[in-house]
Amino acid sequence: GAVVSQHPSRVICKSGTSVKIECRSLDFQATTMFWYRQFPKQSLMLMATSNEGSKATYEQGVEKDKFLINHASLTLSTLTVTSAHPEDSSFYICSPTTLMNTEAFFGQGTRLTVV
Amino acid sequence: AQSVAQPEDQVNVAEGNPLTVKCTYSVSGNPYLFWYVQYPNRGLQFLLKYITGDNLVKGSYGFEAEFNKSQTSFHLKKPSALVSDSALYFCAVRDIRAAGNKLTFGGGTRVLVKP
Repeated sequence: GAVVSQHPSRVICKSGTSVKIECRSLDFQATTMFWYRQFPKQSLMLMATSNEGSKATYEQGVEKDKFLINHASLTLSTLTVTSAHPEDSSFYICSPTTLMNTEAFFGQGTRLTVV
Repeated sequence: AQSVAQPEDQVNVAEGNPLTVKCTYSVSGNPYLFWYVQYPNRGLQFLLKYITGDNLVKGSYGFEAEFNKSQTSFHLKKPSALVSDSALYFCAVRDIRAAGNKLTFGGGTRVLVKP
């Protein structure tokens, strides 16, 4: 399967600061990137979809100014949580994909804790 | 619109016994169906998929799933469960006519295999 690297795996930050999460597809070019959020003991909630070189499309209820997504290259996408608050604490997972893939591949996830 | 239902929040099974995790789906057209497994604080790992062809699909770690179009089900099975199979399992669906590779996930089923 495809190799996806998501970094950092865990991060603790203070309220009001920003945190950047990186997602890299190491052995394929990701034309599309999905970013998910997962609450404890719950399923994955799609936050946004981004295509390389284009602005991300956000799901209803997700603040685009709070969750900044950059997909500047076919192998790297970033999610920046701006002005973080404790309610932003969650598990964030990226999923890069291409039109050639039928199954999705996922990063290892980032556990964000805002204190 | 597409949806996935996993009716059981948790499945308990003794090691060595058969394991079944249920999944039903709803899509407008023909589905692509997937099973993923998630271990604590990790991303999702691909287990198997149904695209077309044989209704019985074999995947990783001895898992298999049967596509049943009339019942719109895609139950995950393993003949003999291991303690190491204890994890969170997600069923997912994608409408093959839909643009992009956006998946819809079920709520997840926690499997606990007891020695």
